[in-house]
Amino acid sequence: DAGVIQSPRHEVTEMGQEVTLRCKPISGHNSLFWYRQTMMRGLELLIYFNNNVPIDDSGMPEDRFSAKMPNASFSTLKIQPSEPRDSAVYFCASSLAGRGEGEQFFGPGTRLTVL
Amino acid sequence: AQSVTQPDIHITVSEGASLELRCNYSYGATPYLFWYVQSPGQGLQLLLKYFSGDTLVQGIKGFEAEFKRSQSSFNLRKPSVHWSDAAEYFCAGSSGTYKYIFGTGTRLKVLA
Repeated sequence: DAGVIQSPRHEVTEMGQEVTLRCKPISGHNSLFWYRQTMMRGLELLIYFNNNVPIDDSGMPEDRFSAKMPNASFSTLKIQPSEPRDSAVYFCASSLAGRGEGEQFFGPGTRLTVL
Repeated sequence: AQSVTQPDIHITVSEGASLELRCNYSYGATPYLFWYVQSPGQGLQLLLKYFSGDTLVQGIKGFEAEFKRSQSSFNLRKPSVHWSDAAEYFCAGSSGTYKYIFGTGTRLKVLA
């Protein structure tokens, strides 16, 4: 079975540019999570979708960040405009239950560098 | 406030030696607890999880963890470390909702 798929794996862009990160969750999973990982702040939950609906976006840092899930097999995280402080590894994860006991499966991550 | 703490940022062990990585939690009730491993450039892979029942949990790759309510701990152990175990290890907890709280991670170095 394919795991969570993320693209691109690496992204280098210049400040002010729009960045779009993509995620394909595991087929059949009904919950999707976007995380950001930095040395300073560790792993932070940005947004949580359940059945394609955003349930908790309290972790989205600011209005420059937006996320969508148009269907059960695809989600995007967009940063516009990007800033150097957005440089981080962004992970997508999916799970079946969306509850605490539902194991979250992580994708390989997208390493974003904003120059 | 709910929290998950990994006191050790770095740990170095020799190959073949035993390993114990510490994790402490602070939750009102018994949380769901997880250990994940992250190899360089990779995502997080679940090693094991504890929900209830037997307090000694077996996971993949020869790892186990023991839930100790009295110590609010969920330490990860392996009797004999292999060079391929070098990675970063994350403990995480959940109160039963979707929201995981991750520890800051412990980076394991294995000496040949």
